Amino acid sequence: SQQGEEDPQALSIQEGENATMNCSYKTSINNLQWYRQNSGRGLVHLILIRSNEREKHSGRLRVTLDTSKKSSSLLITASRAADTASYFCATDTQGGSEKLVFGKGMKLTVNP
Amino acid sequence: DTEVTQTPKHLVMGMTNKKSLKCEQHMGHRAMYWYKQKAKKPPELMFVYSYEKLSINESVPSRFSPECPNSSLLNLHLHALQPEDSALYLCASSRQGLPQTYNEQFFGPGTRLTVL
Repeated sequence: SQQGEEDPQALSIQEGENATMNCSYKTSINNLQWYRQNSGRGLVHLILIRSNEREKHSGRLRVTLDTSKKSSSLLITASRAADTASYFCATDTQGGSEKLVFGKGMKLTVNP
Repeated sequence: DTEVTQTPKHLVMGMTNKKSLKCEQHMGHRAMYWYKQKAKKPPELMFVYSYEKLSINESVPSRFSPECPNSSLLNLHLHALQPEDSALYLCASSRQGLPQTYNEQFFGPGTRLTVL
């Protein structure tokens, strides 16, 4: 079943600009993760934020989590052409199964 | 070694063929996963092995048969597939077995499967 849903579905920006992706989910969670997937390849884990955390940073990435609104955002600062990829949020289900459910994904294109 | 490897990278098979996908990790991870991903869609979980035992089967048709020979290896046996089974098959692993939280998953590059 679909848990996370990214917004927007596609984003095209110029190198150096910031990119913000949003994710909404429906049920209570233990944690929320963001993954990146280059075209036709495996997924790469970017960052994990726990339900009791509000913000987390990793290099040029900043993730926020608002459990009251059941939403998260991923900010990529000073984007590079190499950031061109699809980005997925993934959530588990608090008190339920331990599997991850991925959102629909968002295609980011960074133009040089 | 911090990667998950998958073989083959590409596979073309007929509907009557039997083939296997292989996944390997040497990170000491205790959970391994098979996902199916169609074009422009998110990965969909198929199976989870935790401590070498099948823990989750997401109602996958029996023409897909998983096997975990040891803690480092995960196979997916394919038989009598349909053209709609064509997809990217991703293997992943995570440090802890189920039940687990706070676990990131490490993905292999995938096997691109085409069923004719």
